[in-house]
Amino acid sequence: DAGVIQSPRHEVTEMGQEVTLRCKPISGHDYLFWYRQTMMRGLELLIYFNNNVPIDDSGMPEDRFSAKMPNASFSTLKIQPSEPRDSAVYFCASSPRGPGRDTQYFGPGTRLTVL
Amino acid sequence: AQKVTQAQTEISVVEKEDVTLDCVYETRDTTYYLFWYKQPPSGELVFLIRRNSFDEQNEISGRYSWNFQKSTSSFNFTITASQVVDSAVYFCALSEATTGNQFYFGTGTSLTVIP
Repeated sequence: DAGVIQSPRHEVTEMGQEVTLRCKPISGHDYLFWYRQTMMRGLELLIYFNNNVPIDDSGMPEDRFSAKMPNASFSTLKIQPSEPRDSAVYFCASSPRGPGRDTQYFGPGTRLTVL
Repeated sequence: AQKVTQAQTEISVVEKEDVTLDCVYETRDTTYYLFWYKQPPSGELVFLIRRNSFDEQNEISGRYSWNFQKSTSSFNFTITASQVVDSAVYFCALSEATTGNQFYFGTGTSLTVIP
């Protein structure tokens, strides 16, 4: 089975531009998570979905960030407008059942650089 | 308060040495789950192990072993006969049944195995 797929793997953009990160979870997984990793703050959960419905978005830093999951096999994380402090690695993860009981499987990440 | 503490920020060992990575957690839940992930230089997060709070049996997988002790709230990870390919950042994580919506990650331990 394919793992979690993320695209693009690297993104370089200029401040003020819109950025869209994409994720395809493992087939059959009901939960999808978006994380951000920085040196300063480590791994932070941004938002997670259950059966395509956002459950907890308390980790989303600002209104500039938005996430959608239009179907079970696709999710996007959008930043508009982007700022240099958004530079980080963004991970998508999925798990097959209740997030506390099953392992989260991570994608390879998208390294975002905002100039 | 930090729910997962990895006090060792960086460790260096010479190849073939044994090394133990410490993880101390904090929770009031009686049902919880502990995880270890490996993040090699390539950046992906690789699942290593999951342990639930009712199973204190130690586990061995090849050169890897895990020591779960509820009495000290610790879930330590030992690599026997370390190899250069073990060089990575290792993360310990906690998930609680009552707040099962997210993982609490430690800050990671960077392991360098010197040939």
